[in-house]
Amino acid sequence: AQSVTQLGSHVSVSEGALVLLRCNYSSSVPPYLFWYVQYPNQGLQLLLKYTTGATLVKGINGFEAEFKKSETSFHLTKPSAHMSDAAEYFCAVGSGGSNYKLTFGKGTLLTVNP
Amino acid sequence: EAEVAQSPRYKITEKSQAVAFWCDPISGHATLYWYRQILGQGPELLVQFQDESVVDDSQLPKDRFSAERLKGVDSTLKIQPAELGDSAMYLCASSRTGPGNTIYFGEGSWLTVV
Repeated sequence: AQSVTQLGSHVSVSEGALVLLRCNYSSSVPPYLFWYVQYPNQGLQLLLKYTTGATLVKGINGFEAEFKKSETSFHLTKPSAHMSDAAEYFCAVGSGGSNYKLTFGKGTLLTVNP
Repeated sequence: EAEVAQSPRYKITEKSQAVAFWCDPISGHATLYWYRQILGQGPELLVQFQDESVVDDSQLPKDRFSAERLKGVDSTLKIQPAELGDSAMYLCASSRTGPGNTIYFGEGSWLTVV
């Protein structure tokens, strides 16, 4: 079975500061890893994903994440936070096989202070 | 850009009443998912379809929940009777078949049971 642990249910940063949201996963097979963002009362929007190849993945809105197999991690970063980045962020791991689905972490709420 | 369509966006219903949610996936996506997201938590899979067939409904409370995708395109999720604990956002998602594909989410349907 696969699982995702997001460290820190709430992260607060100042505008212009580094954003770091932590995600660790558990998977018995090489994982597919995703970060989604959710704004209030909206669905989930894909930020970036890792399937194969380069371990540093760049996504939308200046976010990137690095797949580290030895650490079973897929942390999300952004060099400089913007007020518009305030949202809930979810890390997810995709199962392989015929019944491909996502298992999500509990989410991290990012607040950005002016 | 094609989107997953869901309706209604918001629904308030009384305990013991029936409620239904509709989803139209992105054209060409054979796999359709229904997730439930309780406030402050990550989405959890309720049911997964491949075309018109259910491939995973292990987490669907079958005594009160049902889902169908009769022609392999749009889908309906029904709850009867609704209970207070069913208050949540119900997210529909779709993807092309196969591991690693991006799963696209709709805007969600908020259910409040009073």
